[in-house]
Amino acid sequence: EPEVTQTPSHQVTQMGQEVILRCVPISNHLYFYWYRQILGQKVEFLVSFYNNEISEKSEIFDDQFSVERPDGSNFTLKIRSTKLEDSAMYFCATREGQASGNTIYFGEGSWLTVV
Amino acid sequence: SQQGEEDPQALSIQEGENATMNCSYKTSINNLQWYRQNSGRGLVHLILIRSNEREKHSGRLRVTLDTSKKSSSLLITASRAADTASYFCATDASGTYKYIFGTGTRLKVLA
Repeated sequence: EPEVTQTPSHQVTQMGQEVILRCVPISNHLYFYWYRQILGQKVEFLVSFYNNEISEKSEIFDDQFSVERPDGSNFTLKIRSTKLEDSAMYFCATREGQASGNTIYFGEGSWLTVV
Repeated sequence: SQQGEEDPQALSIQEGENATMNCSYKTSINNLQWYRQNSGRGLVHLILIRSNEREKHSGRLRVTLDTSKKSSSLLITASRAADTASYFCATDASGTYKYIFGTGTRLKVLA
């Protein structure tokens, strides 16, 4: 099965620091997503990205978050000034195209701990 | 807002038994997907069912979809200890390509 790769697998950061989480999507996929899961809670949608721009975002995705595809392969999530409540597992996910019925594939996640 | 709700929240069965999990949602959808998550791990895709489909099978998995009731069920037959995990449904509302996850069912299969 195709794989979405995420790095780092685990990062500990001081409150107020910037964090960049990286994702390598499946090669022919065009739609990219970030989700997060606070420990013991549900998986929450953050943002979707297509054609080098954000297509949808949730209310969680405020000004401290940003996404980009800097080199045409990696897809990154940046948190500018981390807060304690940003501690969560962050999942990257990708989807092949716009057709109805495309499966979304998830990476193994990046576990972020803000201290 | 659209939200999936699974029930039961937790399910404990003996190995060899069948496990049934249900998912309800609120708005019209294009597709519904089921995922499995082992503790602390990523989300593994199990099955996608389109809004015009009523039933799909994959190995020991059977998924049904009733769009009139806005509900879906996941049946795992002849369960194994390795099926112990959390199971989530995710739906995409018509007109959007984001998937919204339900609250999940924690399944424990006892050997």
